[in-house]
Amino acid sequence: GAGVSQSPSNKVTEKGKDVELRCDPISGHTALYWYRQRLGQGLEFLIYFQGNSAPDKSGLPSDRFSAERTGESVSTLTIQRTQQEDSAVYLCASSIQGQNTEAFFGQGTRLTVV
Amino acid sequence: AQTVTQSQPEMSVQEAETVTLSCTYDTSESDYYLFWYKQPPSRQMILVIRQEAYKQQNATENRFSVNFQKAAKSFSLKISDSQLGDAAMYFCAYSNSGNTPLVFGKGTRLSVIA
Repeated sequence: GAGVSQSPSNKVTEKGKDVELRCDPISGHTALYWYRQRLGQGLEFLIYFQGNSAPDKSGLPSDRFSAERTGESVSTLTIQRTQQEDSAVYLCASSIQGQNTEAFFGQGTRLTVV
Repeated sequence: AQTVTQSQPEMSVQEAETVTLSCTYDTSESDYYLFWYKQPPSRQMILVIRQEAYKQQNATENRFSVNFQKAAKSFSLKISDSQLGDAAMYFCAYSNSGNTPLVFGKGTRLSVIA
């Protein structure tokens, strides 16, 4: 596609439920990133995929968070047993080769846990 | 760990005037990249300008320019001839050389007054 696509745009879920957030990067982009943005805050790094290398999971806040990426295409961020503190905008970005080149962001998924 | 600090939570500027947004960072690396991203209400992060640390010349992109002071670890953004469409959150970001995630500041909300 023309840009990074994220779905759903908005998600409301009940506390304790699992959610899956999807990211379709720009075709040909080998690097893919997930960030979390709490209200009024900057972006917190969650996880990074680069080609076939093992992902950098150092930013995942707990074992309730996981992410997968199929080859160099779509990625799914899963949050299990959601908590109210998980409410945030989850942003995905992709780039050709890591962050030294421009990272293109999707419009994010706003997750609200009630 | 690298950190990025934006000391101005909010700024305002009159239309057609000039405004400067501040950013400082902390790193022990000598080679790295700095970025300014704009986030309008649509949530999509847009790259405004980037600077390679090894380049002494300040980057410029039309009405946007930076004042990069490597020794002081300062990277301010100047917006000239401000337009209503410039109103947004602005984030300063840092990246090491190589495939490492961007580290973001907490952002500055810029208002443009007609």
